[in-house]
Amino acid sequence: KQEVTQIPAALSVPEGENLVLNCSFTDSAIYNLQWFRQDPGKGLTSLLLIQSSQREQTSGRLNASLDKSSGRSTLYIAASQPGDSATYLCAANDYKLSFGAGTTVTVRA
Amino acid sequence: DGGITQSPKYLFRKEGQNVTLSCEQNLNHDAMYWYRQDPGQGLRLIYYSQIVNDFQKGDIAEGYSVSREKKESFPLTVTSAQKNPTAFYLCASSIGLAGAYEQYFGPGTRLTVT
Repeated sequence: KQEVTQIPAALSVPEGENLVLNCSFTDSAIYNLQWFRQDPGKGLTSLLLIQSSQREQTSGRLNASLDKSSGRSTLYIAASQPGDSATYLCAANDYKLSFGAGTTVTVRA
Repeated sequence: DGGITQSPKYLFRKEGQNVTLSCEQNLNHDAMYWYRQDPGQGLRLIYYSQIVNDFQKGDIAEGYSVSREKKESFPLTVTSAQKNPTAFYLCASSIGLAGAYEQYFGPGTRLTVT
């Protein structure tokens, strides 16, 4: 059974600092890995999807890397802003999504 | 506007009552999913459906039932047999079930059972 872990569980940084969020998974036989953002009481918004054949994916200030062999993915958010405050979830897709518990980010103005 | 709608946003029920959560999508997606989210935990899969009139149990299906009579709709019933039904419920859809398909999520329904 796929197990997904996200460390740290919470993170607080001053505005402008770069964010590094970690995700690890136990079974490397995945189709892809997806990163989501969740605001309090809301649904999930897809940020990035990395296919198993890719090493990284970028969208604006967001960059996600994938190392299948070591079972790790990292989400980088450059020059953080208060609007980046949210919970970030990763999910490994091995025909169904297995989610981590998330990292709750607070960006202080 | 294409997307997934869930209703209601908040739902309150007494213990022992069945309750049905609505999920509709106009993305023309074949696959649909129901997840449950509890505080401090990741999402857990309840049921999924690859095609109309077909659905499969996920990791925590006990106490729940679903139907898939139309491509656009995948309602979830929380029965009185579900021991701890208070949670945030999220519906999702994707083009297909397996492989390199991105999942899109609805806004969620928060169910409180007292």
